Amino acid sequence: DAKTTQPPSMDCAEGRAANLPCNHSTISGNEYVYWYRQIHSQGPQYIIHGLKNNETNEMASLIITEDRKSSTLILPHATLRDTAVYYCIVRPDTAGTALIFGKGTTLSVSS
Amino acid sequence: KAGVTQTPRYLIKTRGQQVTLSCSPISGHRSVSWYQQTPGQGLQFLFEYFSETQRNKGNFPGRFSGRQFSNSRSEMNVSTLELGDSALYLCASSLGTGPNSPLHFGNGTRLTVT
Repeated sequence: DAKTTQPPSMDCAEGRAANLPCNHSTISGNEYVYWYRQIHSQGPQYIIHGLKNNETNEMASLIITEDRKSSTLILPHATLRDTAVYYCIVRPDTAGTALIFGKGTTLSVSS
Repeated sequence: KAGVTQTPRYLIKTRGQQVTLSCSPISGHRSVSWYQQTPGQGLQFLFEYFSETQRNKGNFPGRFSGRQFSNSRSEMNVSTLELGDSALYLCASSLGTGPNSPLHFGNGTRLTVT
């Protein structure tokens, strides 16, 4: 089973920041938090990942709480093309590339 | 840099047949993983290859197999196809298998079994 809990759906207005939450209260100290998104009929797209510190790249920012039990993915200026299913994944260091995907959050961006 | 390439994009097979799917990883990536995505079960891990060796396998029957070649390209095979094997099959590549090495997915092969 997935070690994360995400809301099933969220809405966001175009141009506004989209803040997607994820709970991972049983995360271990050596487990990374990964975010992927999947647009219909395409493969999952890697967005960002982190261990303890907040991370930022050209796509998004990842904010991890100090106790590491939850995180937030921030899309600073959402566009219609950001409409997708967003998956938050906890990746242990012993599982290789076997990611466990949950049901994710369906983000709908509207104009 | 070219992304992960999967061929064919679509495939229709008949129950009982076998099928081979192909995956070319991102240049320089030595790890290849395969996933199955269905509406009912979501995304599920099939297996993982690194340096031509299978390192991990998901909970799928032996009809599902794979291999990796010396150039890191990979194939997966499904024998004796069943209707329930209809799914999107996704390949992902990464530089390594450690937790700090992101997986990059292709757009998949959509298999329909009739």
